[in-house]
Amino acid sequence: DTAVSQTPKYLVTQMGNDKSIKCEQNLGHDTMYWYKQDSKKFLKIMFSYNNKELIINETVPNRFSPKSPDKAHLNLHINSLELGDSAVYFCASSPSGRGEQYFGPGTRLTVT
Amino acid sequence: QQQVKQSPQSLIVQKGGISIINCAYENTAFDYFPWYQQFPGKGPALLIAIRPDVSEKKEGRFTISFNKSAKQFSLHIMDSQPGDSATYFCAASMGQNFVFGPGTRLSVLP
Repeated sequence: DTAVSQTPKYLVTQMGNDKSIKCEQNLGHDTMYWYKQDSKKFLKIMFSYNNKELIINETVPNRFSPKSPDKAHLNLHINSLELGDSAVYFCASSPSGRGEQYFGPGTRLTVT
Repeated sequence: QQQVKQSPQSLIVQKGGISIINCAYENTAFDYFPWYQQFPGKGPALLIAIRPDVSEKKEGRFTISFNKSAKQFSLHIMDSQPGDSATYFCAASMGQNFVFGPGTRLSVLP
């Protein structure tokens, strides 16, 4: 009965590779997000997406792209991985018009 | 304008004491102010939230105080317990726009 799930939990890869992180929510929410949490615990929003609008944080490199096959899924694709991409990535969802967000357990990405 | 400031960076409290974490924002368009609790290795979890039309909200041992004119809000944890030891984030949002504070690492000593 997990509300927001992410796979994989850990991802270790080499520089230059392309990888994806999957996110699914079973809460019936129509807005989903991706966050990056760095080693200092700063939480930074990368994308927010609903069936009407994709909002991209302008500081996110275009190597990162969200892909939503349907309302319950928002996957994160990362091309040409760099060392600085190492972080924990969190997916979250929220019901439209309401502020609360529900976070997944996170994916720890390590780029070597 | 989009920044949310949070203090202190870290906080050590004795069991049974009161933990207080403060946040400040600039953008008056924000209309939702949640607090999140994060344990190591876990995702942030919504703890309590307030909208700017009220000055205080209490849920169990957790209270948010909100000062609209000062653009400040704070989290008070009464009777702090070792199980409360975690990182706490304040946030401010409007629509799909969410901004988090930098976090406060709380340690409650037994």
